[in-house]
Amino acid sequence: KAGVTQTPRYLIKTRGQQVTLSCSPISGHRSVSWYQQTPGQGLQFLFEYFSETQRNKGNFPGRFSGRQFSNSRSEMNVSTLELGDSALYLCASTRTGSEKLFFGSGTQLSVL
Amino acid sequence: GESVGLHLPTLSVQEGDNSIINCAYSNSASDYFIWYKQESGKGPQFIIDIRSNMDKRQGQRVTVLLNKTVKHLSLQIAATQPGDSAVYFCAEWESGTGNQFYFGTGTSLTVIP
Repeated sequence: KAGVTQTPRYLIKTRGQQVTLSCSPISGHRSVSWYQQTPGQGLQFLFEYFSETQRNKGNFPGRFSGRQFSNSRSEMNVSTLELGDSALYLCASTRTGSEKLFFGSGTQLSVL
Repeated sequence: GESVGLHLPTLSVQEGDNSIINCAYSNSASDYFIWYKQESGKGPQFIIDIRSNMDKRQGQRVTVLLNKTVKHLSLQIAATQPGDSAVYFCAEWESGTGNQFYFGTGTSLTVIP
């Protein structure tokens, strides 16, 4: 069974631009969560989607948004990029009835 | 939100020795914990988990210990190998308070051949 797939692997953007990241969960997993990882900050929860509905949200500004499609694939969007948004963005999927997160390899976003 | 902290940011061990990575958590209501391993350029990989109704759980070369009295979690790796070099995160699950994991900042383990 294929793991969590995130695209693209790397992105370079400039301040003020927007970006969309994609995540395909493990087949059969309906929950998708997004995390931001920066040096020294660990992983910070962005949001979680289940059956196309945002079920939970972390403490990030409204510039960070996401959505989930009927096939459980998810996208997250960051608008009006700031230098501080440079980070590794990780997507994780979860099997229904379990809390265990399975992570993808992430998208490394650099904002210049 | 609650914080999950790690006692040491870096740890170096000799190949073949046992490693112990520690983690403190602050929410006594947390009922599920996971240890993840993250190698350079990869996403976190599940190692082992434990629920709050247990105080010890063993896997292949790894053991997780949970001390609820002092809110402390540890990961023990037996016979540490060079492939164990990575950053290790503990994660705390808070059900009922947003249903999300809180992660520590990580401990970097370096295995010296």
